Amino acid sequence: EAQVTQNPRYLITVTGKKLTVTCSQNMNHEYMSWYRQDPGLGLRQIYYSMNVEVTDKGDVPEGYKVSRKEKRNFPLILESPSPNQTSLYFCASGLATYEQYFGPGTRLTVT
Amino acid sequence: SQKIEQNSEALNIQEGKTATLTCNYTNYSPAYLQWYRQDPGRGPVFLLLIRENEKEKRKERLKVTFDTTLKQSLFHITASQPADSATYLCASPPGGNYQLIWGAGTKLIIKP
Repeated sequence: EAQVTQNPRYLITVTGKKLTVTCSQNMNHEYMSWYRQDPGLGLRQIYYSMNVEVTDKGDVPEGYKVSRKEKRNFPLILESPSPNQTSLYFCASGLATYEQYFGPGTRLTVT
Repeated sequence: SQKIEQNSEALNIQEGKTATLTCNYTNYSPAYLQWYRQDPGRGPVFLLLIRENEKEKRKERLKVTFDTTLKQSLFHITASQPADSATYLCASPPGGNYQLIWGAGTKLIIKP
């Protein structure tokens, strides 16, 4: 089954404690990206990757890091989370910027 | 800066009628626009893509139009059903790179 998986689905953490949200796709897609979704603000792209070792900033990259060492995986790293990073996070993949497949989401709370 | 705007107010439609949602873009000319459906707490699901040289695209009860003069795309659901109730998002690449920008979405409520 074609899918994008994210882990964990829910995470409550404290300010400053480094965390990683994993994302994996099994469709051999070259394009992957991370979004955060906040009420009233819609989906905002954090980072995207066009291929292995190729990443670029989206609209809201501050406070986040990504890496693309393998085609299927695109982890999102928060080195020092802060409460304003509390949000619903989605990973997505596609052949390019069209027809995106989204993961189930990760609900992050930073206290 | 490039922007996509969708009506933030919920759209209430009677079952069986046609629902029409609007996506307006500013400060760029998208090569294509795409529409997604999102249910509460879930990731968006791709529905349709329309290119700048296409006036209209259809898929079952769905129809999308693209008007480059008005800088607008319309998304229609004919013979709407309560199961069509969801938030509908519009997205496109702003051009120049591989970024994607999204509208905030319009919540559609179909009443029986």
